[in-house]
This record gives sequence, structure tokens and C-alpha cells, in this order.
Amino acid sequence: AQSVTQPDIHITVSEGASLELRCNYSYGATPYLFWYVQSPGQGLQLLLKYFSGDTLVQGIKGFEAEFKRSQSSFNLRKPSVHWSDAAEYFCAVGARETGGFKTIFGAGTRLFVKA
Amino acid sequence: EAQVTQNPRYLITVTGKKLTVTCSQNMNHEYMSWYRQDPGLGLRQIYYSMNVEVTDKGDVPEGYKVSRKEKRNFPLILESPSPNQTSLYFCASSLIAGDNEQYFGPGTRLTVT
Repeated sequence: AQSVTQPDIHITVSEGASLELRCNYSYGATPYLFWYVQSPGQGLQLLLKYFSGDTLVQGIKGFEAEFKRSQSSFNLRKPSVHWSDAAEYFCAVGARETGGFKTIFGAGTRLFVKA
Repeated sequence: EAQVTQNPRYLITVTGKKLTVTCSQNMNHEYMSWYRQDPGLGLRQIYYSMNVEVTDKGDVPEGYKVSRKEKRNFPLILESPSPNQTSLYFCASSLIAGDNEQYFGPGTRLTVT
């Protein structure tokens, strides 16, 4: 069965420091991979996505992610965090099934930013 | 404005009283989906729809029903709500299933007592 693991429940970084959020997935075929961000009391917004091509993808708000097939990972990075990046981040996998398409989310990583 | 709308935004109900949460999108999207969000569990997919009259179960479909009679609407029905269905519910849509961004509604916070 497909699954997504975000090992860190929460992470605290100082403003201006670099950030890496981890995501590991389990899926037999090539997955569709996504990172979404959820600000407090809001819905989710797509940061970036990957299905094929260059394994380093650029997203909005200065985020990037790298797909590593050998490690089944899709980690999210940002070189310099801003206070406005404090939010919850979700990694997701899209998986084709017979006649359908499921989306599986990780449990999320809450990012705290120190001034 | 392109958007996904859900109603109601907040609902408190009692065990066993049937309820419907509506979801509508104005982007002519084919793929629609319902999720529930619970602390420590992230979002879990309840049901999804590939297109009109085509629905399928997600990972947590028990206790829920859906229908897709029109492309823009995808209501979530709880025939006999129970307290374990207390949660934050999100509807989402995308142009087609696959490598496409899902657009999320604002959420419906449901409490079942």
C-alpha cells in the first residue's frame, strides 16, 4: 500500500537559516509528488510538484525539492527562512489505481520560526 | 474568482442526525475529492471522483457517502454521524487527476456530540 512519512512532527529554525523538511514515500511505480503548505486556519496551497523530468523542482515562495528515487524521498528545502514561512507543511503522493487516482498525505511537519 | 466553496463552515450536530456538507467549484475541474484532517494524522482521503457519475473510495470511506451528479458539485453525506467523525473536512478539486494542483476549499469544522 502507498504511504507517506514525514519523520519530523515539528521543526524550529531561526529566521534567515536554511530549512529542510523530510518526506519519504512508499509506492511501487513512479509517483506524483507534491508539497503543500497550510497556514493557521487556512486551506492548503501547493508549493511545488514533481512527476518527471529534472529531479530538482522549483516552487513558489523560494522553495525547492529534490526527488531521489533511490531513497524514495522528496525533501523540501529553502535557503533562508522568513517569519512568514511558519506554517504546517504536507508532503503528498498521487497514485494511479485501476480506474482511479488516490492522494495520500503525510502527517505534516509544523515549522516554527525564531526571530 | 476561481474557487472551491464549502458549506457550512462550522457545524455542531448530534449523533445519528443526517447531514450534508456541500462542495462546489467553478473551474470546470474533473477531479474532486474529500479529506478529513485530524491532529497528528494529516489529511486522509475519504472519497474522490474522477468525473461526473464516477466516484471511488479513498482510505477512510466508512460512514460517508458522496455523489457527483453535476461536474461542479460534490456533496459529502453523513447518514448517521458519530463522535469519531468530529473533524475538519476539506473539499478539493483539480483539472484532471494526476500531475495537477488540487485547489482546496476553506474547510468545514464538524463536531458530533
